[in-house]
Amino acid sequence: EIVLTQSPGTLSLSPGERATLSCRASQSISSSYLAWYQQKPGQAPRLLIFGASSRATGIPDRFSGSGSGTDFTLTISRLEPEDFAVYYCQQYGSSPLYTFGQGTKLEIK
Amino acid sequence: QVQLQESGPGLVKPSETLSLTCAVSGYSISSGFDWGWIRQPPGKGLEWIGSIHHSGSTYYNPSLKSRVTISIDTSKNQFSLKLSSVTAADTAVYYCAWYKSAFDYWGQGTRVTVSS
Repeated sequence: EIVLTQSPGTLSLSPGERATLSCRASQSISSSYLAWYQQKPGQAPRLLIFGASSRATGIPDRFSGSGSGTDFTLTISRLEPEDFAVYYCQQYGSSPLYTFGQGTKLEIK
Repeated sequence: QVQLQESGPGLVKPSETLSLTCAVSGYSISSGFDWGWIRQPPGKGLEWIGSIHHSGSTYYNPSLKSRVTISIDTSKNQFSLKLSSVTAADTAVYYCAWYKSAFDYWGQGTRVTVSS
């Protein structure tokens, strides 16, 4: 069973700073099937990145994804106030078919 | 624009079966891709429950497989979730979602509480 571990659990930064979020898989996964989501309180998750590095429709270019194998990264180049939320990585393909990481909370410092 | 909307009882008694439906608009459910259910217990992360391919093939999370049934109704353009023998641990917000390149579109979620 594949496990996705996100770090850090909580990240405290200020608007304008750069955020780097990590997602590590317990076994190698295909980059084609690694995604990132943003979730704000009381809302459904929103797809940000699919295929490890492709931005979903309407996602600002300050969001970028990278990585391969077992290590993946979501970078927010310059934080805006609306970016403070919880972020999840997710994989498709290994058992269980879909798996989410436990989330990283990005909070205002 | 694809839209998904969950519906079903907000309160279910322990040991009973939780039943939810996801109505899809803006896309024909029989045209392709996977349709899934994901849940989120209060204050916790996301857990994939299971998915159904437009062809009718189903895939379940092994941790829930013995209690889950997902079905599709192409005539109504909707798919459904049944989770049997529920306990308080099944209390969560339940989301339906469409998997194309990832979980591209999500419903707003429906809160289900398991309590007598």
